[in-house]
Amino acid sequence: NAGVTQTPKFQVLKTGQSMTLQCAQDMNHEYMSWYRQDPGMGLRLIHYSVGAGITDQGEVPNGYNVSRSTTEDFPLRLLSAAPSQTSVYFCATQGSGGGYNEQFFGPGTRLTVL
Amino acid sequence: AQSVSQHNHHVILSEAASLELGCNYSYGGTVNLFWYVQYPGQHLQLLLKYFSGDPLVKGIKGFEAEFIKSKFSFNLRKPSVQWSDTAEYFCAVNAMDSSYKLIFGSGTRLLVRP
Repeated sequence: NAGVTQTPKFQVLKTGQSMTLQCAQDMNHEYMSWYRQDPGMGLRLIHYSVGAGITDQGEVPNGYNVSRSTTEDFPLRLLSAAPSQTSVYFCATQGSGGGYNEQFFGPGTRLTVL
Repeated sequence: AQSVSQHNHHVILSEAASLELGCNYSYGGTVNLFWYVQYPGQHLQLLLKYFSGDPLVKGIKGFEAEFIKSKFSFNLRKPSVQWSDTAEYFCAVNAMDSSYKLIFGSGTRLLVRP
């Protein structure tokens, strides 16, 4: 049981490049989300999904796209990377039951945009 | 908009000292409350949570937290810290009418000196 996995662990991009951060879960959780973690700012929600085919924006969605074609996968796409997107990105999942359940986090992807 | 404030950004303690980390939230409705911990190099994991009932909740590793509704607070405590408690601690709030969304505080970095 892998839980929540993220790839890659580290990535360096040049300004303007695009890339996809991968997130996969084997817990059959309906809710998945992406956060970015920046020093002194905690975790901020980028996008989330309450099930396959359903996505919505969080606090800081600009510059990111998501899709959810399966329950297991929730990739995050950076369309044209900017230095302001340098951050650590965490994917999280949660089982059914709304806000009563804890969220399970992946190990994170550390992204640097030059 | 909902927000979560953690007033102590950095805390340094000696082993065996007592710990209290403050957390206040702004939301007038019913909330679910969480404390997450991030040990160095690791992903976030749940310390404890409060949904209803006894406002004093106990979590893993000897941590506890008290929900004081009138103060909109959910402070984390531990009577005697250990070097292994060195980590970053995040308070998070789920507003009951926001389904799965979690709002995180900015985090408190705790350093415990042996």
